[in-house]
Amino acid sequence: DQQVKQNSPSLSVQEGRISILNCDYTNSMFDYFLWYKKYPAEGPTFLISISSIKDKNEDGRFTVFLNKSAKHLSLHIVPSQPGDSAVYFCAASGNNFNKFYFGSGTKLNVKP
Amino acid sequence: NAGVTQTPKFQVLKTGQSMTLQCAQDMNHNSMYWYRQDPGMGLRLIYYSASEGTTDKGEVPNGYNVSRLNKREFSLRLESAAPSQTSVYFCASRQTGSSYEQYFGPGTRLTVT
Repeated sequence: DQQVKQNSPSLSVQEGRISILNCDYTNSMFDYFLWYKKYPAEGPTFLISISSIKDKNEDGRFTVFLNKSAKHLSLHIVPSQPGDSAVYFCAASGNNFNKFYFGSGTKLNVKP
Repeated sequence: NAGVTQTPKFQVLKTGQSMTLQCAQDMNHNSMYWYRQDPGMGLRLIYYSASEGTTDKGEVPNGYNVSRLNKREFSLRLESAAPSQTSVYFCASRQTGSSYEQYFGPGTRLTVT
C-alpha cells in the first residue's frame, strides 16, 4: 500500500496564476518531506523541502505547506510559468534518510 | 562535474537474460540509491547503500542484486530478467549530514520481452 499519495494525476493552470499540488501520507513516522520536479527523459531534480518541525517553507516562487495533523502537504507555485510544466513528485522519509517514499506524481501544465 | 551518470540509457533484453546497470557519482556522496519508475506508481526504492561497503533492501528488491564497488559506483544487476522488470531505472546519491536531497541520474529505460 502506498504510503505517499498524490491523488491528482494532472493539473492545468493559466500562466501567472497559482498552481497548488497536493500530497497525502499515512506514516506518522515521516519527518522530512521533499518535492521534486521531473522533465521527460530526465531524472528528477530537487525543488524544495520541509521538516516536520515547520509548517511552511518558502523559496522564491515555491512554497511548501505541511499540516501534520492531517498528514497533508502542498506545493504552491506563484506565479506559474510555462517552464514549470513538468511532473512533480512529493517524497517523504523518516529521520535516518535511508528510505524515501515517493508519490505517483502530478503532471502540471502551465498554459501561456 | 558530471553529477550522477548512468549507463546504458536504453536496453532491450529477452526474458531470462542478465545485465548490469551502472551508476557513478562524482560528488563524493556517501549514500546511493536505485529506484524504478512505473506508470502510476511513482518511484519505488529497490536497494540503497548508506555508505561504502554496505547495502540494504528497499521496497521492491526481489529479482535484483546490487554492488557498492567503491564510494563512486553502485551497480544494479538483473540475474534473470522478467517482463515485470520493464521499467525506467534511476540511480541517486545523497550526502549524509544536514542535507537530505537526492541527486538523480538521467535514467535507464529497460524493456524485457
